[in-house]
Amino acid sequence: EPEVTQTPSHQVTQMGQEVILRCVPISNHLYFYWYRQILGQKVEFLVSFYNNEISEKSEIFDDQFSVERPDGSNFTLKIRSTKLEDSAMYFCASSFVRAQDEQYFGPGTRLTVT
Amino acid sequence: AQSVTQLDSHVSVSEGTPVLLRCNYSSSYSPSLFWYVQHPNKGLQLLLKYTSAATLVKGINGFEAEFKKSETSFHLTKPSAHMSDAAEYFCVVSDSGGFKTIFGAGTRLFVKA
Repeated sequence: EPEVTQTPSHQVTQMGQEVILRCVPISNHLYFYWYRQILGQKVEFLVSFYNNEISEKSEIFDDQFSVERPDGSNFTLKIRSTKLEDSAMYFCASSFVRAQDEQYFGPGTRLTVT
Repeated sequence: AQSVTQLDSHVSVSEGTPVLLRCNYSSSYSPSLFWYVQHPNKGLQLLLKYTSAATLVKGINGFEAEFKKSETSFHLTKPSAHMSDAAEYFCVVSDSGGFKTIFGAGTRLFVKA
C-alpha cells in the first residue's frame, strides 16, 4: 500500500541553524500539508500546498518557514533560523482531493532544537 | 471559523466495555469530519470520515461515528474495547471552502484488562 515517507526520523540542530525536513507524498496525490505537534500538545496545521503554491497557511507559518516541491516527488519544509520552541514532531500529509478527502500522514520527523 | 472540541482529555474503560469519545465542532461551511488515531511513537492513521453522505459512518477496527448536525457532534464509539485500542484519538474538521484542517486537542484512551 502506498505511504507517505519522511526523512529524517529525528533531527537535532542548534538554535539559529537552518533545517530542511523532507517528505515524499503518495505519488498521485495533488495536495500536500505540514503539521506540527509540540510534545504533549495537539496537532497544529502549518500549511497546505497545491499546484506549486501555498493554498493556506496558519499564523504559526511565519517568514522563517518555507515549503517547496523541488521535483516531482519531494515536498520540503525549511525552517530558516530555528528556535527552541520549534522543537516538535513535524508531520507531512498528502491527499488526492483537497481537504475534504482523507489525508495520509507520514510517520513524522522529531525536531529537537538545542 | 472552524473549531473542534474534544470533551474529554482522558477516557478509561475496561476491556470488553463500550467506548465513547466525544467531539463537537463548529464550521462555517459544510464540514468534512474525521477521526484519526495515533499510537505511541507512530504517525496518524485514519479511522473514519464523514463527507455529507450517510450520517452513521463505519470505520476500521470496529469504530463508528455519528454525525448529528443539530447537536454539532461527531462522537466516536466502539461496542467493545480491546487492549490494542489504547491510543490518542483526534477529531478533525476541514471545511469545503478551503484547505485548512483543524485538529481537536485529542483524547487519550486507556483500556484496562
